[in-house]
Amino acid sequence: KQEVTQIPAALSVPEGENLVLNCSFTDSAIYNLQWFRQDPGKGLTSLLLIQSSQREQTSGRLNASLDKSSGRSTLYIAASQPGDSATYLCAVRGGTSYGKLTFGQGTILTVHP
Amino acid sequence: DTEVTQTPKHLVMGMTNKKSLKCEQHMGHRAMYWYKQKAKKPPELMFVYSYEKLSINESVPSRFSPECPNSSLLNLHLHALQPEDSALYLCASSQAHGQGETQYFGPGTRLLVL
Repeated sequence: KQEVTQIPAALSVPEGENLVLNCSFTDSAIYNLQWFRQDPGKGLTSLLLIQSSQREQTSGRLNASLDKSSGRSTLYIAASQPGDSATYLCAVRGGTSYGKLTFGQGTILTVHP
Repeated sequence: DTEVTQTPKHLVMGMTNKKSLKCEQHMGHRAMYWYKQKAKKPPELMFVYSYEKLSINESVPSRFSPECPNSSLLNLHLHALQPEDSALYLCASSQAHGQGETQYFGPGTRLLVL
């Protein structure tokens, strides 16, 4: 059974800092990996999707990397802003395109001015 | 339009009530999903609809009954729920089921069962 772990559980940083969120998964036979953002009491917003054959994806100040063989992904946020404060969830899709998403517990990020 | 809408935003119901949650998307997506999210926990998949047919039921109790009347609309009918069913219910959609692509999530319905 796939297990997804995110470290740290919570992170508080001053505005402007670069930061890294970590995600690890136990079964490396994944189809793809996705990072989501969730604001309190709201739905999820997809940030980046990395296919299993890819090493990284970038969108604006966000960069996600994937090392499938070691079961790790990182989300790098450059020049953090208070508006980045949210819970960040990593989700892996099982070994086929029909695989369901298995989510990590999330990292609660607070960026203070 | 990349929006998934859900109604109502909040719902309080007794254990003997019957209520329904509604989800709508107009992106032409042919796969729709229901997830349940307890406080401070990640979302858990409940149901997957593909081309208006139930494709996956993650062993969800029968007091939850999904329905997909058409390709844009997904309902979740609730009956005889328990207090432990209180959670945020999220709907999502994607182009199709089985292509491994992004799912677009709605804002959720926060359900409280008394």
